Amino acid sequence: AQSVAQPEDQVNVAEGNPLTVKCTYSVSGNPYLFWYVQYPNRGLQFLLKYITGDNLVKGSYGFEAEFNKSQTSFHLKKPSALVSDSALYFCAVRAFISGNTPLVFGKGTRLSVIA
Amino acid sequence: GAVVSQHPSWVICKSGTSVKIECRSLDFQATTMFWYRQFPKQSLMLMATSNEGSKATYEQGVEKDKFLINHASLTLSTLTVTSAHPEDSSFYICSASLMSEAFFGQGTRLTVV
Repeated sequence: AQSVAQPEDQVNVAEGNPLTVKCTYSVSGNPYLFWYVQYPNRGLQFLLKYITGDNLVKGSYGFEAEFNKSQTSFHLKKPSALVSDSALYFCAVRAFISGNTPLVFGKGTRLSVIA
Repeated sequence: GAVVSQHPSWVICKSGTSVKIECRSLDFQATTMFWYRQFPKQSLMLMATSNEGSKATYEQGVEKDKFLINHASLTLSTLTVTSAHPEDSSFYICSASLMSEAFFGQGTRLTVV
């Protein structure tokens, strides 16, 4: 069975500083990894995904994530945080590339960017 | 990207009544949709997998008779919360996949009073 761990419930960062939201995963076989962002009382918005290829994945709104197979990690990063980045971030994994299998989510990390 | 529309966005109902939530894939067909439940400040928990033209697959611990799922067409899945109780109050989110990517509805905030 696959699982995702987001070790931090909350991450605080000053506006303009780089941010990192951590994610580690466990899956048998090749992992298919995703990051989503959720604003209050809203659904999830897709940020980026890793399927195959380059370990550094660039996504929406200036976010990027680095796939590290040896450390089984897929940390989300952004060089310069904005106040508007404050939201709840979810890392997710799927064991199969097929869309007919559900995503397994981490517990989420609340990012607070302080002006 | 593809769009998944969920309706209603929020609903308040009385205990004992039933509530239907719709999930539509607007510009693509989805043979499979997923229903998740999210408690405050918690992650999304998969409730069931909705399969077009066949019975839904429920996760362990989810009551089939309470959470009725119908996936009658390739663009519509419905979740009906039957005989709702206050403990059913939650945020429900549906998802449909296109290729390897999952798209989510905007969620439904259900409050049972």
